Amino acid sequence: AQSVTQLDSQVPVFEEAPVELRCNYSSSVSVYLFWYVQYPNQGLQLLLKYLSGSTLVESINGFEAEFNKSQTSFHLRKPSVHISDTAEYFCAVSEGGYQKVTFGTGTKLHVIP
Amino acid sequence: DSGVTQTPKHLITATGQRVTLRCSPRSGDLSVYWYQQSLDQGLQFLIQYYNGEERAKGNILERFSAQQFPDLHSELNLSSLELGDSALYFCASSYSGGRETQYFGPGTRLLVL
Repeated sequence: AQSVTQLDSQVPVFEEAPVELRCNYSSSVSVYLFWYVQYPNQGLQLLLKYLSGSTLVESINGFEAEFNKSQTSFHLRKPSVHISDTAEYFCAVSEGGYQKVTFGTGTKLHVIP
Repeated sequence: DSGVTQTPKHLITATGQRVTLRCSPRSGDLSVYWYQQSLDQGLQFLIQYYNGEERAKGNILERFSAQQFPDLHSELNLSSLELGDSALYFCASSYSGGRETQYFGPGTRLLVL
């Protein structure tokens, strides 16, 4: 069965510093990987996803994630964070088809001015 | 605005009562998902429906039930409510499932007193 681990529940970082949010998954088959973001008092929204092809995927607001099959990881990175990036970030995995998407427990990113 | 609507936005009720949460998916989406988000349990997948049929089940209690109607809207019924059921309940939709982006509604905040 698929599962997702987000080891860091909270990550504080200073504004303009780089950040990495870690995500590891477990699955016996090929997977699709997602990062969702939840801003305060809002629902989740897709940040980026890996379906196939290039292992490096990017979002429109400067985040990127790299699919590493050998390490079963999909870490999220941003070279320089902004105050507006303060939110909770969820990694998710799916085995495709009609399979459900499994979400991690979330990482709260707190950007300090 | 994700295109997914949920009603009501807030609900306050007493222990032992029964409530119904409603979700309308994005136009064209056939799959509906229900999630529960609480401070102690994080984001928990409850159940998925595809075109009126149950597709996947997660950590849904026996006191909870859901259905998807022919017009594709969905309802989540919570009965014999307990204090611990207080949470944010999200509905999400996608065209089918698996590899697709899920679009989340704004959530229904349930408070059980």
